Amino acid sequence: DAKTTQPNSMESNEEEPVHLPCNHSTISGTDYIHWYRQLPSQGPEYVIHGLTSNVNNRMASLAIAEDRKSSTLILHRATLRDAAVYYCIRGGQGAQKLVFGQGTRLTINP
Amino acid sequence: DAGITQSPRYKITETGRQVTLMCHQTWSHSYMFWYRQDLGHGLRLIYYSAAADITDKGEVPDGYVVSRSKTENFPLTLESATRSQTSVYFCASREGRFGNTIYFGEGSWLTVV
Repeated sequence: DAKTTQPNSMESNEEEPVHLPCNHSTISGTDYIHWYRQLPSQGPEYVIHGLTSNVNNRMASLAIAEDRKSSTLILHRATLRDAAVYYCIRGGQGAQKLVFGQGTRLTINP
Repeated sequence: DAGITQSPRYKITETGRQVTLMCHQTWSHSYMFWYRQDLGHGLRLIYYSAAADITDKGEVPDGYVVSRSKTENFPLTLESATRSQTSVYFCASREGRFGNTIYFGEGSWLTVV
């Protein structure tokens, strides 16, 4: 069962960095780590994904622990539009489906 | 450039009625998915399809039927709607297996009274 563990909620302030943790202690060597987010009343959208190395894109950075049992999604400068539920998902290269957990509800204070 | 579209976006139906939610994607993605999301909860996978005429159950398939006669369409049918099926339904698609981005539709809000 490809489960991950995330805090139910987190809160941060606008224009400050946000670090969203995810625990995936049973991850296998070929499992990717994906992050999606869901804005209010919308479908989830892709944020970032990685396998072993840290990854950066225009939306965020993904820091993966050396033992790969945990990872952190980093929003470098949060805006009010980043308020959403963030989902951390794992799955192997051959996996056909993604199983979403409960996610972390991120609140951004102005 | 429609991407992935769902219809209807909003529907109210009565217990026992059959309801079909439509999903259409314009990318020719091989994989398509149906998720449901109950108020205040995460997404749960109902069914998925790896290609036309290939479907498989997800976490919560009971009470639902899917078909995929064409690559671009993946309708979800509630054969006899129940109040417990009141939810938001999201269709999604992906090119290939895990490692590629999943694209979600905007959701279909279904209320069963």
